[in-house]
Amino acid sequence: AQSVAQPEDQVNVAEGNPLTVKCTYSVSGNPYLFWYVQYPNRGLQFLLKYITGDNLVKGSYGFEAEFNKSQTSFHLKKPSALVSDSALYFCAVRDTNAGKSTFGDGTTLTVKP
Amino acid sequence: DAGVTQSPTHLIKTRGQQVTLRCSPKSGHDTVSWYQQALGQGPQFIFQYYEEEERQRGNFPDRFSGHQFPNYSSELNVNALLLGDSALYLCASSLRHGYTFGSGTRLTVV
Repeated sequence: AQSVAQPEDQVNVAEGNPLTVKCTYSVSGNPYLFWYVQYPNRGLQFLLKYITGDNLVKGSYGFEAEFNKSQTSFHLKKPSALVSDSALYFCAVRDTNAGKSTFGDGTTLTVKP
Repeated sequence: DAGVTQSPTHLIKTRGQQVTLRCSPKSGHDTVSWYQQALGQGPQFIFQYYEEEERQRGNFPDRFSGHQFPNYSSELNVNALLLGDSALYLCASSLRHGYTFGSGTRLTVV
């Protein structure tokens, strides 16, 4: 069975400050890890993914994520937050690239001016 | 290149009724997955279709059923609707190296 934990329901940061949204996972075999963002009443927008290779993955809108196999973590980061980054963020894991996704419960990011 | 298209975008049904949601996959994608996202929660996997057959299924009752057509489009059917079925239903299409979500269908059961 695969699972994802997002330990923080809410993350608040000031505009211009760095942000981190945490995610830990459990999966048998090699993980396929993803971050998605969701704005109110909208579907999921893909941010970035890790399948193999460099542990630091760069994605859309200046976001990046660091894969840490020993800590089974895949934290989402951005060096300088924008007010427009305020949204709901989901971490997801799959055991194959096209298989079933298991999502965390989401973290609401609020960036204050 | 069209992405994943879901219809309708919103609908309201009464308890006990049946509903059909539709999904057209991204061009070139042959696999369709359905997810239910209740308010305040992450999406939950319902099932996945490949080659017109259900390949994987999540922890959902038999009231939830699906179909995939030869053109890879898919339908999600829910019978005997309950108030708790109110949610955003997301479709995702995939191929070996791609996985794209649609914008979803908002179902409200009253």
